[in-house]
Amino acid sequence: AQKVTQAQTEISVVEKEDVTLDCVYETRDTTYYLFWYKQPPSGELVFLIRRNSFDEQNEISGRYSWNFQKSTSSFNFTITASQVVDSAVYFCALSGFTGRRALTFGSGTRLQVQP
Amino acid sequence: NAGVTQTPKFQVLKTGQSMTLQCAQDMNHEYMSWYRQDPGMGLRLIHYSVGAGITDQGEVPNGYNVSRSTTEDFPLRLLSAAPSQTSVYFCASSWGGRNTEAFFGQGTRLTVV
Repeated sequence: AQKVTQAQTEISVVEKEDVTLDCVYETRDTTYYLFWYKQPPSGELVFLIRRNSFDEQNEISGRYSWNFQKSTSSFNFTITASQVVDSAVYFCALSGFTGRRALTFGSGTRLQVQP
Repeated sequence: NAGVTQTPKFQVLKTGQSMTLQCAQDMNHEYMSWYRQDPGMGLRLIHYSVGAGITDQGEVPNGYNVSRSTTEDFPLRLLSAAPSQTSVYFCASSWGGRNTEAFFGQGTRLTVV
């Protein structure tokens, strides 16, 4: 069975602070995908990143960066110099590499960025 | 491009009523799935399909039926609505290839009274 844990229910920061959202996962699969999605107040789900389990390179995209550590089953997401527009619920998710491709989601972390 | 289209966006049902949530995608994706989102629980998989004519249950399938007669459409049927089915429902689709992301519809907010 797959499981994704986002222990931080809610985080509040002041604009320009850096913030890290934690994600820990469990799976018996040897190859899998990890994802982060953003859900702004408008409610849609916005894809942020996909990571293959056999690619442990960290990734940076603008103010966003992701730290994948297979040894600790973690896939953490850092926002540098946060902005009010980053306020949203962020979901970490996991899917298998073959067969069923449906996502197993964490419970989400609500990020509030105060001006 | 329309992407993944869900209808309706909002719906209020009475307990015991039945209805169908529609989901259509125009990207020729093989994989489609339905999730429900409840406060504090993230999104949970209801049913999924790996292609036309093939469906299977997810984590929380009770009270829901699906069918996939075409690649494009994947409707979700509530057989006899219950207040516990009050939720936001999302449909998603993705390619069958290796490097793929799931594209989500805008969601349907369902209230059962």
